[in-house]
Amino acid sequence: DTGVSQNPRHKITKRGQNVTFRCDPISEHNRLYWYRQTLGQGPEFLTYFQNEAQLEKSRLLSDRFSAERPKGSFSTLEIQRTEQGDSAMYLCASSLAALSYNEQFFGPGTRLTVL
Amino acid sequence: GEDVEQSLFLSVREGDSSVINCTYTDSSSTYLYWYKQEPGAGLQLLTYIFSNMDMKQDQRLTVLLNKKDKHLSLRIADTQTGDSAIYFCAETSMDSNYQLIWGAGTKLIIKP
Repeated sequence: DTGVSQNPRHKITKRGQNVTFRCDPISEHNRLYWYRQTLGQGPEFLTYFQNEAQLEKSRLLSDRFSAERPKGSFSTLEIQRTEQGDSAMYLCASSLAALSYNEQFFGPGTRLTVL
Repeated sequence: GEDVEQSLFLSVREGDSSVINCTYTDSSSTYLYWYKQEPGAGLQLLTYIFSNMDMKQDQRLTVLLNKKDKHLSLRIADTQTGDSAIYFCAETSMDSNYQLIWGAGTKLIIKP
């Protein structure tokens, strides 16, 4: 296993368009997280899944954002009607719930630019 | 909500020790973490400490935790150019439903 992968690595879109990102976690990991990171900031939690169940969503997450993990493996994050403020790095992480210290393994991120 | 704060920059000479500091507000923190982020690479867990410990050492890395003052530090001995990165402090607790609360990151700059 080569770790967490994310696609695409970069996405440039026009305001108002929909975009979808994909995350493939480490295969045996049952938890999957989505974060957003802007320049000079730490990651901001968006949502997380345990297997296929979405257990928590940030209150900051607009209705334009939706995430799925249909078979408990890969996940998609969709942003509808993108706005310039959505420009950021979108990070995915996965972890094994059984580990008490819950180490999260991060992917390289998808950089979104909304023009 | 809970908060984690770090200085934005630290500049050290190659070969010296680097000490990166972090303060947090969550009195029920269970684990505290140091992550490293290099350009173009994902965040990488460097080390973590359980809240009932006050020190953890791992090769060139030493983590000190002062739970009374809610202060965490990461010391990197014999700093090398490969240590140039942004270092993030993060914490988690049962109160935050084990979500990670992150600092803004400290950029470590190595001077030759």
